[in-house]
Amino acid sequence: AQTVTQSQPEMSVQEAETVTLSCTYDTSESDYYLFWYKQPPSRQMILVIRQEAYKQQNATENRFSVNFQKAAKSFSLKISDSQLGDAAMYFCASYTGANSKLTFGKGITLSVRP
Amino acid sequence: GAVVSQHPSRVICKSGTSVKIECRSLDFQATTMFWYRQFPKKSLMLMATSNEGSKATYEQGVEKDKFLINHASLTLSTLTVTSAHPEDSSFYICSADTLAGQRDTQYFGPGTRLTVL
Repeated sequence: AQTVTQSQPEMSVQEAETVTLSCTYDTSESDYYLFWYKQPPSRQMILVIRQEAYKQQNATENRFSVNFQKAAKSFSLKISDSQLGDAAMYFCASYTGANSKLTFGKGITLSVRP
Repeated sequence: GAVVSQHPSRVICKSGTSVKIECRSLDFQATTMFWYRQFPKKSLMLMATSNEGSKATYEQGVEKDKFLINHASLTLSTLTVTSAHPEDSSFYICSADTLAGQRDTQYFGPGTRLTVL
């Protein structure tokens, strides 16, 4: 079974600063994928970043980057130069081909202070 | 690309009536479509997975006779909440993966807010 844990329910960051959102996961599969999704107040789920577990290089998408620590089963998201539009709920998720579905963490609410 | 639409975005119905929610992949064909339920400030809970032309696979605890899923084509899936009751009030989200792309990545619709009076 897969599990995804996001232990921080809320975080706050000052505009233009950097923030890191934590996520740990557990899986017995060797082939899996990890994701961060953003859900703003509109509630539209938006894919932020995708990481293939077999790749050692950390994925990046503009101001968003991950710190993927495979041995520790940790997958944190770093948001640089935070903007007001980054305020949202963020979900960490994992996927394996074995069950072909996403497993989501509980999510973290990020607020950005102007 | 990879846009998923849902209709309606909001629906209010009386207790005991049925409500149908449509999920469409607009610019791609989907191998699989997924239906989620989400309570305020909570995570997404997978209800069922459906493939075109096949019966949906429901998650444990989800009543298949209550939540009917029809996946008529590679671009359309529908969720019908039958004999809706106030406890069915929730936010329902669909997603789809792409036939031509990465099976692990899902694209989400904007959601449907169901209120049962």
